[in-house]
Amino acid sequence: QVQLVQSGAEVKKPGASVKVSCKATGYTFTTYYIHWVRQAPGQGLEWMGIIKPSGGDTTYAQKFQGRVTMTRDTSTSTVYMELSSLRSDDTAVYYCARVVVDSNGWYHFDYWGQGTLVTVS
Amino acid sequence: DIQMTQSPSTLSASVGDRVTITCRASQSISSWLAWYQQKPGKAPNLLIYKASSLESGVPSRFSGSGSGTEFTLTISNLQPDDFATYYCQQYHNYPCSFGQGTKLEIK
Repeated sequence: QVQLVQSGAEVKKPGASVKVSCKATGYTFTTYYIHWVRQAPGQGLEWMGIIKPSGGDTTYAQKFQGRVTMTRDTSTSTVYMELSSLRSDDTAVYYCARVVVDSNGWYHFDYWGQGTLVTVS
Repeated sequence: DIQMTQSPSTLSASVGDRVTITCRASQSISSWLAWYQQKPGKAPNLLIYKASSLESGVPSRFSGSGSGTEFTLTISNLQPDDFATYYCQQYHNYPCSFGQGTKLEIK
């Protein structure tokens, strides 16, 4: 069955970087795109960006441009999200999510990782 | 960027009730809208995609409708497991965006 398994919780100091992993199993890794979405405590969902595992192409939300880097390792079917220059308001649960894709583009999120809590303090 | 506005922010209802949540887009998104349910400490779960298509395995008491800028999620015959927070999401174009959420509480 399809699973996205994320790395464990992290505690970082302001100004540091964090790298969260998302390992995909149960499907062909390069045929679906992966998005990253975060959720601050008690808040809603915020889109961060997308990576296309086949070629590694990325698109980032303007808010995170220059601070976020999404990469992938096709040999292990894993995508990574690195966020730098961390601030206290980056404290959130970070989710990876798979999207349905066809020749016309990408669509809804059908599978989500379990989430990774990143605390900046 | 497309803004998504949900109403109400909080909704109180009883088991067996029928409830409706509304989501409005700041510009037309055709039918490129999904609804998700989220329970505390868990990732969101897909309920509805393309405005009205029911995801496999989701109970038929959930239904979605709308197109353009106005959409609704209806839950009929509320069950105890349905009390959660619901989010709409547009995927018409970048950046994809979510509504602020509707918390469905037990009356």
